[in-house]
This record gives sequence, structure tokens and C-alpha cells, in this order.
Amino acid sequence: QVQLQESGPGLVKPSETLSLTCTVSAGSVSSAGFYWSWIRQPPGKGLEWIGYIYTSASTNYNPSLKSRVTISVDTSKNQFSLKLNSVTAADTAVYYCATGHVAVDAFDIWGQGTTVTVSS
Amino acid sequence: QSVLTQPPSVSAAPGQKVTISCSGSRSNIANNYVSWYQQLPGTAPKLLIYENNKRPSGIPDRFSGSKSGTSATLGITGLQTGDEADYYCGTWDSGLTATYVFGTGTKVTVL
Repeated sequence: QVQLQESGPGLVKPSETLSLTCTVSAGSVSSAGFYWSWIRQPPGKGLEWIGYIYTSASTNYNPSLKSRVTISVDTSKNQFSLKLNSVTAADTAVYYCATGHVAVDAFDIWGQGTTVTVSS
Repeated sequence: QSVLTQPPSVSAAPGQKVTISCSGSRSNIANNYVSWYQQLPGTAPKLLIYENNKRPSGIPDRFSGSKSGTSATLGITGLQTGDEADYYCGTWDSGLTATYVFGTGTKVTVL
């Protein structure tokens, strides 16, 4: 069973770039047909899909974040990453990496989540 | 902000049944599969239902899903205290670009 683990700074200053990494174990980030995704949840609020990378190259982002987001894959480390630039307090959230196969068309594997606070 | 609307909360006694609605539109629910996620307090969401009504391995048949037109429904029978959680529907929205959207979330309380 594929497992995911997020890592990265828990505190980011306003206007800087949030960078997180998701390490994939018991599976390969190069496996065909998987949406390698990032999803976030502000404190006390609902889930927001950020975007995904598919087949190591094709990306799709939430239009509301598209101008600030980059998702990429490092096949040598079996990881995929999130960069969100020009952050504000509104980007404070628990960030989850998640994946699912196109055949399932849903996110059936999630990381435990990592809390990122934007504050000076 | 979410394009999928759910009731904020539902409640019932142990052993009873609850249903959670998810209302969307032609660009999302009507033309795409719906999934349901359970989020226990302090944990990551867990997939309960995919492709409208299919359960992943290990999900008990007390959980069921259905879809009709622009709405979907999650049903939970034989309610247990361990079912107390937040539940979210999710699907793709085929607007200008394909975007995954989640519902507003529903808190299930076991009385």
C-alpha cells in the first residue's frame, strides 16, 4: 500500500514562498495513471484542492491559486513538491498530499498532513 | 466559496440512520463521479465512497452513496459513536479547466 509523508517548514513569513515535499513509499511517483495532489485545510474550515501533477509532467491547478502555485516531481527521490509563492495569512492551513488512480477518480491515499503557519 | 453545498450538521442516536446531501450543478456532479470522505477529529480525510456508490476495501456496507442529477447523497446506517466526524463530498468541475471541488462539509453528531 502506497504511503505518503509531507515535510517542510511549519512557519513561513508573509510574501515568502511556502515549500513542501511529499515522500512516496511502497510505490513509485513514476507510476502511470496517478494524480499526485496537494490539498489544504485552513483552521476550522473545509478542504481546498490545490492541484496535481500527472505522469510526472502534466499539471493542473486550482484557478484561484494558479498564479502562485507550482507542483513538480523528483523521480530520483520518489517525491513530489509544492511551491506557493507570495503567501499571506490566508495561506495558513494544514497541507495534505494525496493521490488516487484515474480508475478510482478520487483521492484514496492521504498523508497525515503538515501545519503551515504564515506569520512574521 | 465551494460550489458543492452540504448541510452544516446532522445528528442521530446510535443505531439510527443519517443522510447527507451534496448539491452541485451540471458542470460538476451531473457529469462526473462523486466521492465521499470522512475526516475524524485531528486526522486526514479518508475515502469512503468513490464513483458515486462504490466502497473501497475495508469500508463497511453501513456507508452508501447515490447520485441523481445535480445532487448526491451519503447514507450511514447503524450509526456508531466512531462515525462522529466531518464528511465531505468531492468531484471534478468541468468548467473552464477541470478543477476538483469539495463540498462545504457536514458534521455528524451521534447523540
